[in-house]
Amino acid sequence: QKEVEQNSGPLSVPEGAIASLNCTYSDRGSQSFFWYRQYSGKSPELIMSIYSNGDKEDGRFTAQLNKASQYVSLLIRDSQPSDSATYLCAVNMRGDSNYQLIWGAGTKLIIKP
Amino acid sequence: DAGVTQSPTHLIKTRGQQVTLRCSPKSGHDTVSWYQQALGQGPQFIFQYYEEEERQRGNFPDRFSGHQFPNYSSELNVNALLLGDSALYLCASSYGQGVRVYDSPLHFGNGTRLTVT
Repeated sequence: QKEVEQNSGPLSVPEGAIASLNCTYSDRGSQSFFWYRQYSGKSPELIMSIYSNGDKEDGRFTAQLNKASQYVSLLIRDSQPSDSATYLCAVNMRGDSNYQLIWGAGTKLIIKP
Repeated sequence: DAGVTQSPTHLIKTRGQQVTLRCSPKSGHDTVSWYQQALGQGPQFIFQYYEEEERQRGNFPDRFSGHQFPNYSSELNVNALLLGDSALYLCASSYGQGVRVYDSPLHFGNGTRLTVT
């Protein structure tokens, strides 16, 4: 069973603090990992992609990948009220003949002014 | 540069009816994937089209069918609508279909909100 697990939240973080979002996945052979942000009533938009173990930084966002622990996280530094959204973790997993993107249910993040 | 466009934005149908949703991919993209997203849930993969053929399919019944046209645009058809089909339907486009097609990040349209009464 291919699964991606996320804490549904809501995760409440004060403005200016670091928000930490976590995701675990079931397929040890997975190679591609994505974080999407989804505002209420809107479609998901890509925030970060990561393919190698370690950290990948882009502005205030840092993705962290640990394939041995089957764990990927997203850190948001200097959190802003505009970061309030649902964050979706997606993992590319092996299917019968191809790869399929499996999504977590998302973590709702609330940044308190 | 036009992004992914979907139509209509909202739709209300009655149980048993049929519906067609449409999607135009982002310029330069040739692969279209369709997702169903229920409230409070992550997107659920319906199917993917590349070169006018269905390449992958998720766990959805045959009531869900699709088509891709030579210009890469796509349609999602749902027959014999059920109340449980009420959801946000998302179209996502990407470039290239291969063993690791999803290495190409997905770009989503704004979605079609379907309500079945």
